[in-house]
This record gives sequence, C-alpha cells and structure tokens, in this order.
Amino acid sequence: EAGVAQSPRYKIIEKRQSVAFWCNPISGHATLYWYQQILGQGPKLLIQFQNNGVVDDSQLPKDRFSAERLKGVDSTLKIQPAKLEDSAVYLCASSPRGAGEVNTEAFFGQGTRLTVV
Amino acid sequence: AQSVTQLGSHVSVSEGALVLLRCNYSSSVPPYLFWYVQYPNQGLQLLLKYTTGATLVKGINGFEAEFKKSETSFHLTKPSAHMSDAAEYFCAVSRSGTYKYIFGTGTRLKVLA
Repeated sequence: EAGVAQSPRYKIIEKRQSVAFWCNPISGHATLYWYQQILGQGPKLLIQFQNNGVVDDSQLPKDRFSAERLKGVDSTLKIQPAKLEDSAVYLCASSPRGAGEVNTEAFFGQGTRLTVV
Repeated sequence: AQSVTQLGSHVSVSEGALVLLRCNYSSSVPPYLFWYVQYPNQGLQLLLKYTTGATLVKGINGFEAEFKKSETSFHLTKPSAHMSDAAEYFCAVSRSGTYKYIFGTGTRLKVLA
C-alpha cells in the first residue's frame, strides 16, 4: 500500500512570494489533514477535509493560506504572500474514515520543509 | 477542549537503560491517545495507540504505554534503549478518534553509547 505522498520535499522562497504544496493521500482515505510543524514544536492542525468538504479550518490563517481538495482525493495548500514566520514543515496526513466515524490512526507523509528568507 | 503536555523536551538515556517519556492529557470526553515517532527529515510514524479496552498497549520496536485515567497520563516506556531509538517522540490526543489530532510539543530522545 502506497503511503501519503507530498511534494516538493524542500522549498526556499523569499518573503511575499507565493508557494504551493501538494498531497496525495492513501487511496480511499476519506479524511485529509494539513499540519504545520514549526521547529521545536509539535504539529498544529491547519485544516481538515472530509472527502472534498472542510471539517475544520479554525486555525488556518485565511488571509494568506488557502487549501482545496478537488474531487475528494489529492489536495493543495497555498501560501500567498509568505512571511518569515511561515518557515516550517508542512505535513499532510490521511485517515480512512470520515468525520463522525472512528479513526484509529492518521498516516503522515514525509512533509515539505519551507524556508522563507 | 483537549490538550497534551509532554514533560521534558530533551531526554538522554544510556544504551540499554530504561526509556520513560511522559505525557499528560486533558480531555472532557474519553480520549484516544497516540504516540508517534519522528526521525530526522521524516514524517510521523505511529508507535502505538490507545482507543478502548486494555489500558496497557504494546507498540512497535518494543515500546509500550499505559493509559491511566486517574492520573490523566499516557507515558511511553521501553525497557532497554537502543541507539536506533534516538528520535523525537510526540504524544497526541483525539476526541474518540472522530476529530482532529492534537499533539504535544515533543520530546527529543538521545541515546548515549
């Protein structure tokens, strides 16, 4: 079974530029998460999708971050414009069941390390 | 609201010694609890999980954890540390597995030869 795929692995951009990350979850997984992991901290949820609908985006800085999950499969996370404090690892994860159902594990991708200079 | 506290951002143990990583949680509903491990430049890998049933759970690589409701704890242990255990460990809580996973700040384990 293929795992969660993310690309790119690394990205360096200047502040005020835009950037996009891509995630392909495990086939058939209904729930998809984007987490932000700042150096020295635990992952923080940015947005959670069930299929192609948003379940929770309460911690997504909507003035600069956006995310979509077209057709309920792969997802993109965009930052525009980037700030220095956006430097972090962006982790995508997926779980097999939808919101309201029991998920006993989230499967994580390797992440995209973003450096904003 | 749910939260997780990991005591000790850095823990060092000698090879062959007991590993004890501490995790306390706060949850108003029965929690699902997880330990994940993260190796450098890698994603998170599930070590073990508590959902319901037996409170002592065994995971991969010889790790285990015990859910203690009275102490709101879910500490991770391994009887004998190996050099390959050096990594960062994250405790996480989920509201009965139906909602988002909330992570602690992590504990970096160093294993000394």
